[in-house]
Amino acid sequence: AQTVTQSQPEMSVQEAETVTLSCTYDTSENNYYLFWYKQPPSRQMILVIRQEAYKQQNATENRFSVNFQKAAKSFSLKISDSQLGDTAMYFCAYNAGNMLTFGGGTRLMVKP
Amino acid sequence: DAEITQSPRHKITETGRQVTLACHQTWNHNNMFWYRQDLGHGLRLIHYSYGVQDTNKGEVSDGYSVSRSNTEDLPLTLESAASSQTSVYFCASSAGTTGTEAFFGQGTRLTVV
Repeated sequence: AQTVTQSQPEMSVQEAETVTLSCTYDTSENNYYLFWYKQPPSRQMILVIRQEAYKQQNATENRFSVNFQKAAKSFSLKISDSQLGDTAMYFCAYNAGNMLTFGGGTRLMVKP
Repeated sequence: DAEITQSPRHKITETGRQVTLACHQTWNHNNMFWYRQDLGHGLRLIHYSYGVQDTNKGEVSDGYSVSRSNTEDLPLTLESAASSQTSVYFCASSAGTTGTEAFFGQGTRLTVV
């Protein structure tokens, strides 16, 4: 079974600084997808970024980028120029087939 | 706009009662999922469905059941609510292709007393 591990239960960062959230996963599959979801206090789950395993280029979405290391099974999220609105729970998720497997989450606090 | 909605948003029930949480999506997605969210565990899969009349058990299915009689709805039933089932429940849907985005409902906070 696939497992996803987020080793940082909580993190904080000063506004405008950069922060990196870690995620590792375990799989025997060669073709899969990885996601980062954001959950603000409203509880809504919002897709932040998606990475296809067969693509070597790291995905970027505005201030959000990933460092995908397939051999190391690592998928970290970098948030640049952190904003107060980035305060949320962040979940890393793995997808092969039709379902998502989630990590335990990292609570990020952006401080003014 | 297409959406996925859950009801109720909050519910308090007593131990031993049967409870049904509703999930309705207008995306016309084949895949629907139920997750529970608990501190430190992230979201764990309870049941899922790949289409009408199809249901499958997930990681934490004991004490829960689902049925899929149409494309739009996947209700989750707690047969006999237990305090260990106090949690936030999320419904999600996705198209049938691997890697496509899953869309989530707003969540239902269930408290079993």
